[in-house]
Amino acid sequence: AQTVTQSQPEMSVQEAETVTLSCTYDTSESNYYLFWYKQPPSRQMILVIRQEAYKQQNATENRFSVNFQKAAKSFSLKISDSQLGDTAMYFCAFLQYNFNKFYFGSGTKLNVKP
Amino acid sequence: GAVVSQHPSWVICKSGTSVKIECRSLDFQATTMFWYRQFPKQSLMLMATSNEGSKATYEQGVEKDKFLINHASLTLSTLTVTSAHPEDSSFYICSAREDLNGELFFGEGSRLTVL
Repeated sequence: AQTVTQSQPEMSVQEAETVTLSCTYDTSESNYYLFWYKQPPSRQMILVIRQEAYKQQNATENRFSVNFQKAAKSFSLKISDSQLGDTAMYFCAFLQYNFNKFYFGSGTKLNVKP
Repeated sequence: GAVVSQHPSWVICKSGTSVKIECRSLDFQATTMFWYRQFPKQSLMLMATSNEGSKATYEQGVEKDKFLINHASLTLSTLTVTSAHPEDSSFYICSAREDLNGELFFGEGSRLTVL
């Protein structure tokens, strides 16, 4: 079975600064997808960024980028120029290649301080 | 963009009654939908995978007879919590996988409170 581990239950960052959220996973598969989702107080899950395991290039989406280390099974999220609206729970997720199951980490609560 | 609608967003019921939650993909077809349960300040726990036209696949420890899932069309899956009890109170979230590109979209969630 796949496991996704987020070792930082809570983090804080000053507005405009950069923060990195950690995620490691365990799998025997070679093809899969990795995601970061944001869950604000509204509880709606919002896709932040996704990475296909077969791609070596790290995904980027505006202020969000990942550091994908396939051999180390690590998938960290970097948020640059943090904004107050980034305050939320962030979940790392793993999706099997055949889209059969979707596993979530335990989440990291990010507080962006003014 | 693609939207997944869940209804109701909030429901309160008496112990022993059954509650149905709908998950609908509004502008795309989804052969596969997923149902999750989320306790306060915790992660999403996959309950079952719902496949259109076939039986749902339940995760270990999830009671099939307690949480009935029906996926009657390519845009609708329902979760029925049968004979609900206070311990079933939780936040239930569905997600739908778009058939065209495999993209996954989440519903807004449904908060169930059983008195």
